[in-house]
Amino acid sequence: GAGVSQTPSNKVTEKGKYVELRCDPISGHTALYWYRQSLGQGPEFLIYFQGTGAADDSGLPNDRFFAVRPEGSVSTLKIQRTERGDSAVYLCASSLFGTGRWETQYFGPGTRLLVL
Amino acid sequence: KQEVTQIPAALSVPEGENLVLNCSFTDSAIYNLQWFRQDPGKGLTSLLLIQSSQREQTSGRLNASLDKSSGRSTLYIAASQPGDSATYLCAVREEYGNKLVFGAGTILRVKS
Repeated sequence: GAGVSQTPSNKVTEKGKYVELRCDPISGHTALYWYRQSLGQGPEFLIYFQGTGAADDSGLPNDRFFAVRPEGSVSTLKIQRTERGDSAVYLCASSLFGTGRWETQYFGPGTRLLVL
Repeated sequence: KQEVTQIPAALSVPEGENLVLNCSFTDSAIYNLQWFRQDPGKGLTSLLLIQSSQREQTSGRLNASLDKSSGRSTLYIAASQPGDSATYLCAVREEYGNKLVFGAGTILRVKS
């Protein structure tokens, strides 16, 4: 595919359960970002990968949240012991290098997470 | 901490009207500013990107301006159409970092 894809598109889980959200970036993009968007708000930054390493994880709200990108392509956002407040749309974006004044981030359609 | 504010929160206009969406940011040390469009259930689409050294960018019926020193940007949409109905998000990228800081968005409805 030409764009960023995310799976699943919707996820319903129960409080306390573990969930994994997957992001497939645009082929060849070295930079990958995760954002979280609550209802009526703009996206909030969670974590940024440059290649396989997390270059900035300052937006992760607590240690229940963790993300990996083992081969520098697909990334998985993992949430342990989910809470109702984790309900939101989780957006993934990728960009070619992560630097560069003209570089834009390309966003996927998001995963809508609902914690009951 | 950078904060981005968008006014108005929602706007409803008749088709054909010219309109202005406003964005303000608290820290002028930005790398660039982008305007995005978000349709329900879909991801964000970049509309315009303005570098910190630029004053404006144009694409079709869209024109975005940037006044970095005062921390303001506007998105001007000419001759609005029902297909322009969406949420418009403003985001800044700070000078030292790669993340985008977003406003809460303006929900635009263009009535036919």
